[in-house]
Amino acid sequence: AQTVTQSQPEMSVQEAETVTLSCTYDTSENNYYLFWYKQPPSRQMILVIRQEAYKQQNATENRFSVNFQKAAKSFSLKISDSQLGDTAMYFCAFMKPFTGNQFYFGTGTSLTVIP
Amino acid sequence: KAGVTQTPRYLIKTRGQQVTLSCSPISGHRSVSWYQQTPGQGLQFLFEYFSETQRNKGNFPGRFSGRQFSNSRSEMNVSTLELGDSALYLCASSLAGVTTEAFFGQGTRLTVV
Repeated sequence: AQTVTQSQPEMSVQEAETVTLSCTYDTSENNYYLFWYKQPPSRQMILVIRQEAYKQQNATENRFSVNFQKAAKSFSLKISDSQLGDTAMYFCAFMKPFTGNQFYFGTGTSLTVIP
Repeated sequence: KAGVTQTPRYLIKTRGQQVTLSCSPISGHRSVSWYQQTPGQGLQFLFEYFSETQRNKGNFPGRFSGRQFSNSRSEMNVSTLELGDSALYLCASSLAGVTTEAFFGQGTRLTVV
């Protein structure tokens, strides 16, 4: 079974500063995908960034980047130049390939960006 | 193009009743998956449909069922509602469910009283 752990229920960051959200996972699979999703008050889950386990290079999307440590089963999200619109719940998720979008989600981290 | 549409957005039902939720995927998407989100259990996978067939199922009782129509729209049904079924129900659509590009709807907030 796959498990995803987010140990930070709540975090806050000053606008324009950098914040890192932590995520660890447990799996016996060698090939899989990892995601960070954002859920603002509108409730819609929005994909922030995606990482393929077979790629050693860390994924980057504008102000968002990850630190993927496969051996340690760690997948942290770094948000640079934080903006007020980044305030949301952030979920780390795991998925095996060819499983029909069956995500295993962590419990989430509530991020507040302070003006 | 239009995103994933879930209806209704809010629903209040009485314990013991049944409920049907609807999800219209993005045009051209053939895979629809459903999730239950609660404060206590977080986000949990219910099931996934592709081309009108259930391909994958999570660990939920048989009271939870679904179906998919030929136009890829999907419905989820919960029978004999319990207070613990109160949750946000999210659906996600993708082209075929074998890629990682999944798009979520805004969910249906179900309250069981």
